[in-house]
Amino acid sequence: IAGITQAPTSQILAAGRRMTLRCTQDMRHNAMYWYRQDLGLGLRLIHYSNTAGTTGKGEVPDGYSVSRANTDDFPLTLASAVPSQTSVYFCASSDAGGGRNEQFFGPGTRLTVL
Amino acid sequence: GQNIDQPTEMTATEGAIVQINCTYQTSGFNGLFWYQQHAGEAPTFLSYNVLDGLEEKGRFSSFLSRSKGYSYLLLKELQMKDSASYLCAALDSNYQLIWGAGTKLIIKP
Repeated sequence: IAGITQAPTSQILAAGRRMTLRCTQDMRHNAMYWYRQDLGLGLRLIHYSNTAGTTGKGEVPDGYSVSRANTDDFPLTLASAVPSQTSVYFCASSDAGGGRNEQFFGPGTRLTVL
Repeated sequence: GQNIDQPTEMTATEGAIVQINCTYQTSGFNGLFWYQQHAGEAPTFLSYNVLDGLEEKGRFSSFLSRSKGYSYLLLKELQMKDSASYLCAALDSNYQLIWGAGTKLIIKP
């Protein structure tokens, strides 16, 4: 593994189903983030984690949950998917020690909820 | 509230120069990022400014004026591969990135 990986690459999901998007990084970054990107709206922060064991809510957290059991993994769960959650989801990580906090992005997961 | 403004779309000619502007309003400020995003791909880091002035990196330069809440990305000698979206993002007092919606740059031959 080099950098950040996400799985799956794409997924079509029936409304009401539960879905977990996976994210793994091997850079030992302390901070990780989940964004959704919709046309014309740019990147919107869903949840973040500044360090293993802690999580926080971003701009659009409703309908999503996260966990951070260790440094490397940061899964995003949709408990009961709805069509408005159709989007491209990006995971990112950074070495957030009060410095510039440059974020590195995974390749994204394209999710369609029908 | 916190806000980032940048043009939705710009068009330029191959070989020319283009300047993409960004204005920001954030709670505190710890720097300004520019990212490039090709269609269907992830954003990738281009530049970071925290002090006023111009940072040059090859064909790309980025400028910051903290007093004006203003930045621009300057792309010289445009190539077709520069067709992409350019995302402006400001780091607020909590070291969270506030993102603009992105500027789609179209390069014509």
